[in-house]
Amino acid sequence: EPEVTQTPSHQVTQMGQEVILRCVPISNHLYFYWYRQILGQKVEFLVSFYNNEISEKSEIFDDQFSVERPDGSNFTLKIRSTKLEDSAMYFCASSQTRRGSSQAGAYGYTFGSGTRLTVV
Amino acid sequence: AQTVTQSQPEMSVQEAETVTLSCTYDTSESNYYLFWYKQPPSRQMILVIRQEAYKQQNATENRFSVNFQKAAKSFSLKISDSQLGDTAMYFCAFMKPGGGTSYGKLTFGQGTILTVHP
Repeated sequence: EPEVTQTPSHQVTQMGQEVILRCVPISNHLYFYWYRQILGQKVEFLVSFYNNEISEKSEIFDDQFSVERPDGSNFTLKIRSTKLEDSAMYFCASSQTRRGSSQAGAYGYTFGSGTRLTVV
Repeated sequence: AQTVTQSQPEMSVQEAETVTLSCTYDTSESNYYLFWYKQPPSRQMILVIRQEAYKQQNATENRFSVNFQKAAKSFSLKISDSQLGDTAMYFCAFMKPGGGTSYGKLTFGQGTILTVHP
C-alpha cells in the first residue's frame, strides 16, 4: 500500500536554528498538508498546499514557517528560527482527489509517521 | 469556525467487549465529512472510518461503526469485540468539503485514550 514517508523520524535542534522537515507524499495525490501535535495535545492544522502554492494556513503558520515542493516529489516544511515551543510531532499528509474536484481530502488523508522535533 | 469536542479523556475496556467513544461538533455547514483516526503508541495517524454528512446511513468498517446524529451534531465510534491492538489514542475530526477557499483542512478533537485490558 502506498505510504507517505517522512524524514527524519526525530530531530534535535538548538533554539534559533533553522530546521527542514521532509516528506514524500503519495505520487498521485494532489493536496498536501502539515499538521503538528504538541505532546499530549490535539493535532493542529498548519498548512495545506495545492498546485505549488499554499491554499490555506492557520494562525500558527507565521513568517517563521514556509513550505515548498522543490522537485515534484518532496514536500518540505522549514522553520527558520526555532523556538522551544516549536517542539512537537510534525505530520505530513496527502489526500486522494481528482484535479479540480471539490472533494479534497474527502476520503481521508494518508499521514506519514511523523517527525519528532525537539528544540533545546 | 468548526469545533470538535471529545469529552472522554480516557476510556478502558476488557478484551472482546464493546466500547463507545463520544464526539460532538459544532458547524453551520450542511455538508461535511467526519472521521475517526487512531494513533497507536507508534504515533502514526491511521484512518479508522469516515462518514459523509449527507448520507443518513451510519458507516461501518468491520468491528468499527459510527452512530451519526446530524441534528444533535454527534458522531460516536463503537468498537465491537475489542482487541489489544485497539489500544491507542482516538481522534474525531471534521472536514468541510474541499474547493473554494477550503482544501480539505481537518479539525481534530482533543482525543480519547483507549486502553484494552486482557
